[in-house]
Amino acid sequence: AQSVTQLGSHVSVSEGALVLLRCNYSSSVPPYLFWYVQYPNQGLQLLLKYTTGATLVKGINGFEAEFKKSETSFHLTKPSAHMSDAAEYFCAVRGSGGSNYKLTFGKGTLLTVNP
Amino acid sequence: DAGVIQSPRHEVTEMGQEVTLRCKPISGHNSLFWYRQTMMRGLELLIYFNNNVPIDDSGMPEDRFSAKMPNASFSTLKIQPSEPRDSAVYFCASSDPGAQAYEQYFGPGTRLTVT
Repeated sequence: AQSVTQLGSHVSVSEGALVLLRCNYSSSVPPYLFWYVQYPNQGLQLLLKYTTGATLVKGINGFEAEFKKSETSFHLTKPSAHMSDAAEYFCAVRGSGGSNYKLTFGKGTLLTVNP
Repeated sequence: DAGVIQSPRHEVTEMGQEVTLRCKPISGHNSLFWYRQTMMRGLELLIYFNNNVPIDDSGMPEDRFSAKMPNASFSTLKIQPSEPRDSAVYFCASSDPGAQAYEQYFGPGTRLTVT
């Protein structure tokens, strides 16, 4: 069964600083991986996804993530944080076989950006 | 393109009352998901429809919950009778199973408060 662990339920950075949100996954098959962002009182918005091919994936709003099979990681980064990046971020892995419709989500990381 | 549409956005009701949540998926998406989000349990998949047919309802909490999808553009989630512990944000998401990653697109959610 797939699982996702997000290290750090709360990350605080200063505006302009590097953002690093950590995600480790467990999957019995080559994974399809996702990052979603949830702004207050809104639904989840897809930031980026990894399927196959290039391991560095670029998403919206300047975010990117790198798939590292050897480390079973898919960490999310942004070189320079902006106040508007304050939100909750969820990492997810897609199920396999007959459960390939399922997304298993991490518990989320709340990003705070300080002026 | 219009995203996933949910109504109402907020619902406050008294214990014992019937609650109906509505969802319109993205046009052309054949898969539809209902989720519940709470602080304690995070995001939980309640039910999954494919081509209007319920495929996986193992996440439906109990018989008080029911979901229907009478056509490709409309789904309902009903709670009868409602209880205070049903208070949560309920999300609808849709997906195109033909897409490589089968990523899900979420609606804005319905915040349900049962008093």
